[in-house]
Amino acid sequence: GAVVSQHPSWVICKSGTSVKIECRSLDFQATTMFWYRQFPKQSLMLMATSNEGSKATYEQGVEKDKFLINHASLTLSTLTVTSAHPEDSSFYICSARESTGGYNSPLHFGNGTRLTVT
Amino acid sequence: QKEVEQNSGPLSVPEGAIASLNCTYSDRGSQSFFWYRQYSGKSPELIMFIYSNGDKEDGRFTAQLNKASQYVSLLIRDSQPSDSATYLCAVNDSNYQLIWGAGTKLIIKP
Repeated sequence: GAVVSQHPSWVICKSGTSVKIECRSLDFQATTMFWYRQFPKQSLMLMATSNEGSKATYEQGVEKDKFLINHASLTLSTLTVTSAHPEDSSFYICSARESTGGYNSPLHFGNGTRLTVT
Repeated sequence: QKEVEQNSGPLSVPEGAIASLNCTYSDRGSQSFFWYRQYSGKSPELIMFIYSNGDKEDGRFTAQLNKASQYVSLLIRDSQPSDSATYLCAVNDSNYQLIWGAGTKLIIKP
């Protein structure tokens, strides 16, 4: 149980284009999903918290107009990297917490999306 | 600034031995504690979680929590080469914010 599906697994795009990443909770409902970014050999960095039916909460230093997050249903959140540049190349990972489990329940992670901007 | 600290390693353990990974946290009101395993180039995978003081066992893994001393540990018995990975400690603080440690790299030597 508690499977999170993230798509695509990897994407290569040209500088200036936009890329959409989907995150789905397959067998549970997730009121809250989290988007992380990880550069090689570095720690996980929380980018934003995605709340179903409301605006996402972005961490300090993360541009909300560049990283658009939509959480339209209890099982789907999307991250769109707009006007991507080479410095946006990274490993993007979504995670979700079961709605029924409360704030102390664990996060379940998708398999991540490796974005390369050329 | 609330912190979760882990030794970055690498921690090298012979195959078959017990690997002991440690984590300390600064917020005394922290609520829940998690261990994740992350292989290189992959996303984190939940190994164990613990909420109460004491030990919690799951197969070869044991999580230990000591709230008075503000540390949580993960023991891996009968270590296998496939256990070689980075182990991330995460703590839900008193505001239910998940704080991550930087991870300990574990190497199991055959």
